[in-house]
Amino acid sequence: DQQVKQNSPSLSVQEGRISILNCDYTNSMFDYFLWYKKYPAEGPTFLISISSIKDKNEDGRFTVFLNKSAKHLSLHIVPSQPGDSAVYFCAGRNTGTASKLTFGTGTRLQVTL
Amino acid sequence: GAGVSQSPSNKVTEKGKDVELRCDPISGHTALYWYRQSLGQGLEFLIYFQGNSAPDKSGLPSDRFSAERTGGSVSTLTIQRTQQEDSAVYLCASTRTNLEQFFGPGTRLTVL
Repeated sequence: DQQVKQNSPSLSVQEGRISILNCDYTNSMFDYFLWYKKYPAEGPTFLISISSIKDKNEDGRFTVFLNKSAKHLSLHIVPSQPGDSAVYFCAGRNTGTASKLTFGTGTRLQVTL
Repeated sequence: GAGVSQSPSNKVTEKGKDVELRCDPISGHTALYWYRQSLGQGLEFLIYFQGNSAPDKSGLPSDRFSAERTGGSVSTLTIQRTQQEDSAVYLCASTRTNLEQFFGPGTRLTVL
């Protein structure tokens, strides 16, 4: 039972363009959604989060949009930079279950010159 | 300040052997999580420690897996009688807020 799905395993975007990473979920009990970024041989690092009562959260070049009715969220990176090349994980947090995070399988973003 | 550290960074073992993986969380973080990432999979929750409360072991895949957290700080994940399907990257995370989790670099376990 995959509660968080990232259906695109990879994405390639030109430098300066917008990167859009998508995530779908099935668990209505998630109260926060988080995006993590992972470089090879490193642990994931927190990028941005959004509360389930919001529909948008912005932090610099990163914006996360939440559509609760569609159970869908997306991460927008504008403008994309080569250093953004990494694997991006979407995660949902359910405070009813020890606040553990349920992760998607990740999307590998490649930003090309 | 120091982040979450894990040791060893890589571990190769033979099927049937026991392994111990160590996690040093960020000082002052009361919550500690273990996850694993198998090839092509997302991060799978294994176990959660919060202060002195009984750990949440609901994610442990079998009774061959166990974990301890001594003195509310360092944690050890033990896998007994390892199997090839245990091969994965094992990640530890700690947090103070239960929202943003800080991850270590992981231990890559290979069971031959």
